[in-house]
Amino acid sequence: NAGVTQTPKFRVLKTGQSMTLLCAQDMNHEYMYWYRQDPGMGLRLIHYSVGEGTTAKGEVPDGYNVSRLKKQNFLLGLESAAPSQTSVYFCASSYWGRGGNQPQHFGDGTRLSIL
Amino acid sequence: DAKTTQPTSMDCAEGRAANLPCNHSTISGNEYVYWYRQIHSQGPQYIIHGLKNNETNEMASLIITEDRKSSTLILPHATLRDTAVYYCIVRAQTGANNLFFGTGTRLTVIP
Repeated sequence: NAGVTQTPKFRVLKTGQSMTLLCAQDMNHEYMYWYRQDPGMGLRLIHYSVGEGTTAKGEVPDGYNVSRLKKQNFLLGLESAAPSQTSVYFCASSYWGRGGNQPQHFGDGTRLSIL
Repeated sequence: DAKTTQPTSMDCAEGRAANLPCNHSTISGNEYVYWYRQIHSQGPQYIIHGLKNNETNEMASLIITEDRKSSTLILPHATLRDTAVYYCIVRAQTGANNLFFGTGTRLTVIP
């Protein structure tokens, strides 16, 4: 049981390039999230999904797109990378259980640098 | 979501109990108190959560005041591996349950 797996772990891009970050969870969780964390700050929510085929914007969605074609995968896309998107990206998932939405499980992060 | 206030940093001697306070004076009746920690830029790790009763699990204890305006996370026997940033988050369990992470408390366990 791997939990939440993020791919890749590190990446360096040039301004204007595009890429996709992959998040996979094997816990059959309904909810999945993408956060970014900048140095010395807490995590900020980019986009989230409450189920297969559905996505919604979080606190800082500009410049990113997401897709949830399969329940276990949540993809984060950067269409035209900008230096301001240099950050550590974390994916998380959670399930709906007794009492409501249960605590989130996080991946180990993707460290992305945009030059 | 209710705002939380935590000290910026704390030290604790190895083997002693670490008591991390959190103020959430504007908490609503349906909001839970969650604690997560982040060890050296790893992904955040869930520790414990509670509504109004004190909670204990294998990692920690959570003490919530009767008026629910503050809480304390207790690590009973801190080890060097407990050095991390600890986040206190208040959130209802309805909806998407996205979490608002502030800057947390940086706990340093000293040998």
